Amino acid sequence: GAVVSQHPSRVICKSGTSVKIECRSLDFQATTMFWYRQFPKKSLMLMATSNEGSKATYEQGVEKDKFLINHASLTLSTLTVTSAHPEDSSFYICSARARGSRHAGELFFGEGSRLTVL
Amino acid sequence: GNSVTQMEGPVTLSEEAFLTINCTYTATGYPSLFWYVQYPGEGLQLLLKATKADDKGSNKGFEATYRKETTSFHLEKGSVQVSDSAVYFCALRATSGTYKYIFGTGTRLKVLA
Repeated sequence: GAVVSQHPSRVICKSGTSVKIECRSLDFQATTMFWYRQFPKKSLMLMATSNEGSKATYEQGVEKDKFLINHASLTLSTLTVTSAHPEDSSFYICSARARGSRHAGELFFGEGSRLTVL
Repeated sequence: GNSVTQMEGPVTLSEEAFLTINCTYTATGYPSLFWYVQYPGEGLQLLLKATKADDKGSNKGFEATYRKETTSFHLEKGSVQVSDSAVYFCALRATSGTYKYIFGTGTRLKVLA
């Protein structure tokens, strides 16, 4: 299957700082990437849908000024948590929808990034 | 709204035991249903899927049947192995043409030798 890589896998930061998480599709082009957040013992919650070259579409209740998403190329999307606070501590997972017919209809997931805000 | 409910874990089994992880869903229309698996330190991987009622998805000895009458998609395996230890997520995709997935909470499976 296709590979999606997230970086960093773990990050600890101080309250008030900003953190950037990268999501890369390593061997395919991703027209659409999705960002999820997972709380302990909770479902993966879709935060936003990111399309290459256009603005992300945020789900209801997700602060777009807080969680900045940039999908600058067909292989890279970034999530920046701005002015992070302890309540932003969570596990963030990206997924990518492959362009073309080889993996049509399938989503590929990154390994996830655990953010801890002190 | 659309939702997925799966049994809470952890589930601990001995090797070669029979596995069932329950999953039920609520959705309008005819969703596609999926099981994803997350091994330690890795991303989610598609395990199997079913796109219409009565379809059976299968992979690596795992099976799940799309039951519209009971709105269920239970995951089963006849004989689990230690290497099956992972977290299993049930998910649905509500409408054809969209890739918004709704996930269950995940069920951790631990298989003991």
